[in-house]
Amino acid sequence: DGGITQSPKYLFRKEGQNVTLSCEQNLNHDAMYWYRQDPGQGLRLIYYSQIVNDFQKGDIAEGYSVSREKKESFPLTVTSAQKNPTAFYLCASSIGVAPGQPQHFGDGTRLSIL
Amino acid sequence: GNSVTQMEGPVTLSEEAFLTINCTYTATGYPSLFWYVQYPGEGLQLLLKATKADDKGSNKGFEATYRKETTSFHLEKGSVQVSDSAVYFCALASPGAGSYQLTFGKGTKLSVIP
Repeated sequence: DGGITQSPKYLFRKEGQNVTLSCEQNLNHDAMYWYRQDPGQGLRLIYYSQIVNDFQKGDIAEGYSVSREKKESFPLTVTSAQKNPTAFYLCASSIGVAPGQPQHFGDGTRLSIL
Repeated sequence: GNSVTQMEGPVTLSEEAFLTINCTYTATGYPSLFWYVQYPGEGLQLLLKATKADDKGSNKGFEATYRKETTSFHLEKGSVQVSDSAVYFCALASPGAGSYQLTFGKGTKLSVIP
């Protein structure tokens, strides 16, 4: 079955450490997204990518970085510059950029600070 | 800018009760509207969508009608089950630049008790 795989499911970060969250999709979708979810705040867009080797900042990109070297992969790095990284991170993809196209989500990675 | 406002939760209902979760939006042009559902510890799943005024989206007994005149997309179900307990998110995507970007409401937590 096609879908989006996020790993790991749980991740712990030490102070001053960078960590990378994995997101892989086999849906052959062009667009991919990273969201941050905090309790009672809904989802906020961190970065998005429409095509390989291209990505754009979302609403809360500070302290995060991404790459899109392959169509199926869109890893997110949470850097030490992100002072409040504890959250639930969701990766999504969509077939294209038309507004009616729904986004498909992975099961998320929960990041905590040690 | 775009925004989505959902009714505050949590909402607690008895099994077989009628459900309404209100959603109103502010957007330029004619957005596409979505309801997503998130079960505990999981990512979001698309529940239903509507792409133009007066469209009715439906799935698994849930319905929502795109009301342009009231800028609303309220979610309804005639008889809820315990398995419907989840967080429900209303979202929109506006046409034009960045049209693939979703704007989410803060979510409404539904608990259904036997």
